[in-house]
Amino acid sequence: DSGVTQTPKHLITATGQRVTLRCSPRSGDLSVYWYQQSLDQGLQFLIQYYNGEERAKGNILERFSAQQFPDLHSELNLSSLELGDSALYFCASSVGISGTYEQYFGPGTRLTVT
Amino acid sequence: AQRVTQPEKLLSVFKGAPVELKCNYSYSGSPELFWYVQYSRQRLQLLLRHISRESIKGFTADLNKGETSFHLKKPFAQEEDSAMYYCALSGRHSGNTPLVFGKGTRLSVIA
Repeated sequence: DSGVTQTPKHLITATGQRVTLRCSPRSGDLSVYWYQQSLDQGLQFLIQYYNGEERAKGNILERFSAQQFPDLHSELNLSSLELGDSALYFCASSVGISGTYEQYFGPGTRLTVT
Repeated sequence: AQRVTQPEKLLSVFKGAPVELKCNYSYSGSPELFWYVQYSRQRLQLLLRHISRESIKGFTADLNKGETSFHLKKPFAQEEDSAMYYCALSGRHSGNTPLVFGKGTRLSVIA
């Protein structure tokens, strides 16, 4: 167990809807990363927060947004969902701001858009 | 731009045979390379990083800057090595550089 928790485990929703995925980092970790894993694209970095501030952006769509709260948990909001958004969404945490720190991954949230 | 390429989607080997999972990278600065592994029904976790020069579960990986490669090797594969392996890169001393992952290679060790 990495200490990173994600809820919910599974989410099934319809196209056009909006969902929120939640991540709690390991105790003491200030960075939270969000990744999307799909069969054809592999593991794609979406966005990183460090101590409440956005620090890096990857291939994140404009329909997606995230935030990190004062207690360091993070939420990823996905709106106007499309079939292609079906994927496994991971969050990871690390103690530092740089990608050189080991990242600890959560179990993922499997999103199915029908 | 940072890029990591894992040319094999699937690699099947027999138990006891040597394993080499290929990873090539593209980065203009000084990279730090990692291998992450995801066993069935488990989380993605760090297997090893080049800077520590460790051997974990019998796996080693050497950074070859000339060939821009960081191949993962094990002399004798075990069934429990079957998993998804991801090579990842971060720019060392580059401030805030997120980890860039390859698309992964699924290793299947056949008994």
